[in-house]
Amino acid sequence: AQSVTQLGSHVSVSEGALVLLRCNYSSSVPPYLFWYVQYPNQGLQLLLKYTSAATLVKGINGFEAEFKKSETSFHLTKPSAHMSDAAEYFCAVSEANAGKSTFGDGTTLTVKP
Amino acid sequence: GAGVSQSPSNKVTEKGKDVELRCDPISGHTALYWYRQRLGQGLEFLIYFQGNSAPDKSGLPSDRFSAERTGGSVSTLTIQRTQQEDSAVYLCASSFGTGGYTFGSGTRLTVV
Repeated sequence: AQSVTQLGSHVSVSEGALVLLRCNYSSSVPPYLFWYVQYPNQGLQLLLKYTSAATLVKGINGFEAEFKKSETSFHLTKPSAHMSDAAEYFCAVSEANAGKSTFGDGTTLTVKP
Repeated sequence: GAGVSQSPSNKVTEKGKDVELRCDPISGHTALYWYRQRLGQGLEFLIYFQGNSAPDKSGLPSDRFSAERTGGSVSTLTIQRTQQEDSAVYLCASSFGTGGYTFGSGTRLTVV
């Protein structure tokens, strides 16, 4: 069985500040981990993924995430927030080669000018 | 096609009617998934097709829900005798290997 917990349903940061969105997972086997982003009035798109290669993963738009097995975490970060980063972010886990992903409840990121 | 295509984009139906939602995945993607997203909530897994294997139907909430995938491509999700709690955005996604999902824009279903 697998599950995902996203801490904080809403996160607000100032433009230029660090973005940190938290994700913890539970999986009985080595996981594959994903972050997806949903911009206002748009569909979900893949931001980045971890599939057992490098533990620090870089994605689009300057985002990155680090897989920490000891902490069962896959937090998403960006050094400097931009207004265009305002969106809903979903963390997801799947068992390697099992295809089906379990999604967290999402975190809405607000960026203040 | 270039992306995952879902139709209709919006559907309003009366309680008790049947509805069919269509998904056309990316050509060559062997896996196809259906999820449901209720307002303000996360994505709820419904069903998963992988190649010619039997589908994983473990997420279907009741026997009113069914889905098929013809020829390893287009999929149809059918909801019979719709109820108000079925109102949600129904998302289809496809994937190949471990590359993550490509989502369609969804079908917003409203049951009145």
